[in-house]
Amino acid sequence: QVQLQESGPGLVKPSETLSLTCTVSGGSISSIGYYWGWIRQPPGKGLEWIGSIYYSGSTYYDPSLKSRVTISVDTSKNQFSLKLSSVTAADTAIYYCARQIPAAIGWFAPWGQGTLVTVSS
Amino acid sequence: AIQLTHSPSSLSASVGDRVTITCRASQGISSALAWYQQKPGKPPKLLIYDVSILEGGVPSRFSGSGSGTDFTLTISSLQPEDFATYYCQHFNRYPLGFGGGTKVEIK
Repeated sequence: QVQLQESGPGLVKPSETLSLTCTVSGGSISSIGYYWGWIRQPPGKGLEWIGSIYYSGSTYYDPSLKSRVTISVDTSKNQFSLKLSSVTAADTAIYYCARQIPAAIGWFAPWGQGTLVTVSS
Repeated sequence: AIQLTHSPSSLSASVGDRVTITCRASQGISSALAWYQQKPGKPPKLLIYDVSILEGGVPSRFSGSGSGTDFTLTISSLQPEDFATYYCQHFNRYPLGFGGGTKVEIK
């Protein structure tokens, strides 16, 4: 079964770029029929969709983050990545990656375990 | 963007109770709604998609209904493992969105 695992620095300084990678195992990221998404959750708060990507590189982003977000895919490594620039304390959150079903637009399953990223000097 | 509003934001219930959570969309989303369960320190787990289709392995005490703008998640007989926070998510169009969640606590 497909599993996802987030990785990356747990601490990022204000104004710098947050970079995370999601590694997919148990299945191919190039599978037709799935997008791959990033979702975050500030401590004690709700879920926020960040963006989603197809293996071809097609992306969708939340408009509120679009100017700062880049999601990319590396099919050779079965990974997709998130970059969020000019971070502030408001970007402190648990960041999850997840598979999006069905391809074009849909729900998320399964999810990675999440990684806490703290923005602080 | 489409906004999703949960009600209530939290509730207290006892084991065996029937629990109903509502998710209201700011505009019609047809049947493009999913529900998730999240326990502390864990990622969300998909329960239901397309309003009423149970994800594999989800107990049948969970059910979903609704269409258009008003949706409900019902737990027919609350079990100890069901105490958690529940989120709805729409996928009618981009941007995708989640409701603020309903926390189900032990009475």
